[in-house]
Amino acid sequence: QSALTQPRSVSGSPGQSVTISCTGTSSDVGGYNYVSWYQQHPGKAPKLMIYDVSKRPSGVPDRFSGSKSGNTASLTISGLQAEDEADYYCCSYAGSYTSVFGGGTKLTVL
Amino acid sequence: QVQLQESGPGLVKPSQTLSLTCTVSGGSISSGGYYWSWIRQHPGKGLEWIGYIYYSGSTYYNPSLKSRVTISVDTSKNQFSLKLSSVTAADTAVYYCARANWNDVYFDYWGQGTLVTVSS
Repeated sequence: QSALTQPRSVSGSPGQSVTISCTGTSSDVGGYNYVSWYQQHPGKAPKLMIYDVSKRPSGVPDRFSGSKSGNTASLTISGLQAEDEADYYCCSYAGSYTSVFGGGTKLTVL
Repeated sequence: QVQLQESGPGLVKPSQTLSLTCTVSGGSISSGGYYWSWIRQHPGKGLEWIGYIYYSGSTYYNPSLKSRVTISVDTSKNQFSLKLSSVTAADTAVYYCARANWNDVYFDYWGQGTLVTVSS
């Protein structure tokens, strides 16, 4: 069970859009529509932003959206705001009641 | 509103067993449709899923930790626990407990996390 692959960092200016990728295999990301995304600010617990590839929990701005193609899932944040600066992690169900996280991506708002 | 709170020693000696408890409030741990999980984060690193437990006691572990991990549940206290044996410095991490919504397999509620340092 290997960690999902995410870019170490991405950046964008306020108002712009950024996309964070999350690449796995057919045994995890590609095999199930159970991909979720979490936002983590320094010293805080992760917060659910997206589940089921593209669904947003109540209270999460619609600037956050998710998608999947094959073995790669993506999180897009549009209309970047300063408070979006954080670490982002993807997570996928990997079968047999197991889950796997991505290595995390640091988003910098320039 | 469901809340989770980790508790346990912040310092463990090498080769000993790390023990943490997660107390759930605002909801019953025996509610169907949810699995209860431990997740850890090494300093400055990413998240690592450790394992799941259902209120019935069924457990599922990360294959890389399976030989050293035991997760148990006490429904009478609305708690679940983690034991990690034979710890080394590599087990130093922030340990989170979380609730997994099993209908769609995502973590919707998290504890604040507790730092456990392995050192003599």
